[in-house]
Order: sequence, then structure tokens, then C-alpha cells
Amino acid sequence: KAGVTQTPRYLIKTRGQQVTLSCSPISGHRSVSWYQQTPGQGLQFLFEYFSETQRNKGNFPGRFSGRQFSNSRSEMNVSTLELGDSALYLCASRLDRGGGETQYFGPGTRLLVL
Amino acid sequence: GESVGLHLPTLSVQEGDNSIINCAYSNSASDYFIWYKQESGKGPQFIIDIRSNMDKRQGQRVTVLLNKTVKHLSLQIAATQPGDSAVYFCAENRGTGGGADGLTFGKGTHLIIQP
Repeated sequence: KAGVTQTPRYLIKTRGQQVTLSCSPISGHRSVSWYQQTPGQGLQFLFEYFSETQRNKGNFPGRFSGRQFSNSRSEMNVSTLELGDSALYLCASRLDRGGGETQYFGPGTRLLVL
Repeated sequence: GESVGLHLPTLSVQEGDNSIINCAYSNSASDYFIWYKQESGKGPQFIIDIRSNMDKRQGQRVTVLLNKTVKHLSLQIAATQPGDSAVYFCAENRGTGGGADGLTFGKGTHLIIQP
């Protein structure tokens, strides 16, 4: 099976712009979660989608949003970019048979905000 | 606040030796723990997991120990190899069931394998 894929792998934006990142989960996986990784804060949970619905959300401002499509692919959007949004954005998928299952990560999208 | 943390930011071991990476967690309600390995330029890679109803689990060259009394998690890697060089993260899941809370990660330990 192919792993989790994320596009694009690298992105450069300027402050105030918006960005959309894409994630394709492992085939058959229904849950997709997004994380932000920075040197200072480490890995932080953004949100999780399951069956096209946001099921849980971390402590990030409303500028961070996401959605999931019927094929389980997911996108996350960051509006009005700030310098501090520069980070590696990771997507993870899991089968979800009731929780507690392994999340498998993609390679990430590295976003640089200038 | 509640968090998952690691005791050492960097651990240096000789190739062939065993290594132990430690992790402390603070949420007694956490019931599922995972160790991930992250190499430079890559996403975290699953190594091994353990549920709170277990205290030990073994994989290939790796063993995870869970001590719920002191809220401590460790990853043992036997006979370390150059390919084991990476940052290792412990993570906890604070809830099971339909509403996964998302994983809470520790800061990570950079394992360096010396020849």
C-alpha cells in the first residue's frame, strides 16, 4: 500500500497570503489528522477529520481550517499567514476502529512565510 | 500544564550498544502510547506502541516499557545501528473511542550513533 502523501512538499508564501495543503491518506484509512511541527513548540495537534467532519481540534486560531472529502483526502488552509506559521505541516491517517490506533504520517509540507 | 516530555534532548551511544530513551507523561487518563522515529526531512515513522493495560511490549530490536505508577515510558533499542540515528518522540493518546483527541508529543530525543 502506498503511504500517506502530501502536496506540495515545499512552499514559500508571504505574510497575509493564504495557503492550502493537501493530504491523501493510506487507502482504506478514514481518519486524517493534521499537526504542526516547529523547533520551538515541537509537534502540535491541529485537527482531525473523519467521515468529512471535523471530530476534534487543537488550540490553534481560526485562521487554521480544514476539510475532508468523500474519498478521505483532506486539505488544510491557513489564511492571513503570519511569520510564525512557518513550520512543517504533517498529515497522519489511521483506520479508526474506535480509537487508539496507530497514526501513520506523511513526509510533510514545509511552509516558509516571508 | 499536562504534557508529555523527554528527559534528555540528546543521547549519544556507540554502535552496537543498547540505548534507552525515556519519556515522562502527566495525564493518568492516557491509555495509549506510541514511539515514533523521525529522520531528517521525513515525517515521523511508527516504531512501536503500547496500551495502558500492558507494561511491556517487544518488537524487532525494540522494547517499550510502561510504568503507570510513575507515569514513565521508555524505548529500548538493542544493538544500535547507524540507521537508528534520528529524533525519537513519545506520544500519548488521551482518549479512545470515536473521538480521538489527537496525539500529544514529547519534545523529542536526538539519538546519535557513534562508530
